[in-house]
Amino acid sequence: DIQMTQSPSSLSASVGDRVTITCRASQGISNYLAWFQQKPGKAPKSLIYAAYSLQSGVPSKFSGSGSGTDFTLTISSLQPEDVATYFCQQYDTYPRTFGQGTKVEIK
Amino acid sequence: EVQLVESGGGLVQPGASLRLSCAASGFTFSSYAMSWVRQAPGKGLEWVSGISGSGDDTYYADSVKGRFTTSRDNSKSTLYLQMNSLRAEDTAVYYCAKDGDEWLANAFDFWGQGTMVTVSS
Repeated sequence: DIQMTQSPSSLSASVGDRVTITCRASQGISNYLAWFQQKPGKAPKSLIYAAYSLQSGVPSKFSGSGSGTDFTLTISSLQPEDVATYFCQQYDTYPRTFGQGTKVEIK
Repeated sequence: EVQLVESGGGLVQPGASLRLSCAASGFTFSSYAMSWVRQAPGKGLEWVSGISGSGDDTYYADSVKGRFTTSRDNSKSTLYLQMNSLRAEDTAVYYCAKDGDEWLANAFDFWGQGTMVTVSS
């Protein structure tokens, strides 16, 4: 199975900060990488697919990049409504696997 | 508007069976693959199973293979997860998720709100 490793596991940043989360795959997955946001007590929400394509309705402050084994999710200007846990997932190979999550908080 | 509504969760004893349902609306159900994803209390997300739009192809995580069966009734726009021989470690919120295409080759684009399954004596 492909292992997905996110870093950091948690972060605390100020409102307006640029935040970057990384996700590394244990083997190449081309660009078959998705990002999800899960707010406390809620279901996950799809943010990005194909490493950098925004799902419909997702604000442009979210962006993704990367290919192969190394990927990033960036929030350009952190806002209180962005407090959540963010997960990456590879869909190149079954079983689909998720990263362990990155919890984002406001400092 | 896409809606996915899970149901069927509850408290069951180890070894028991349970069937979850996911009622879909707002899109042509048969044209999209669907998946089940679970989340144990306080833990991360775990992909459980996927099924193609036609229902001809299914995939399972090793942790549930042989115990869980995913199926769909395209005439009812409903996805199912039959769970047998349940174990304590199956305790989780179970989400259904819609794939971006018919063939289990694209990312999830919509999620349901989840249904809680608790396996305990």
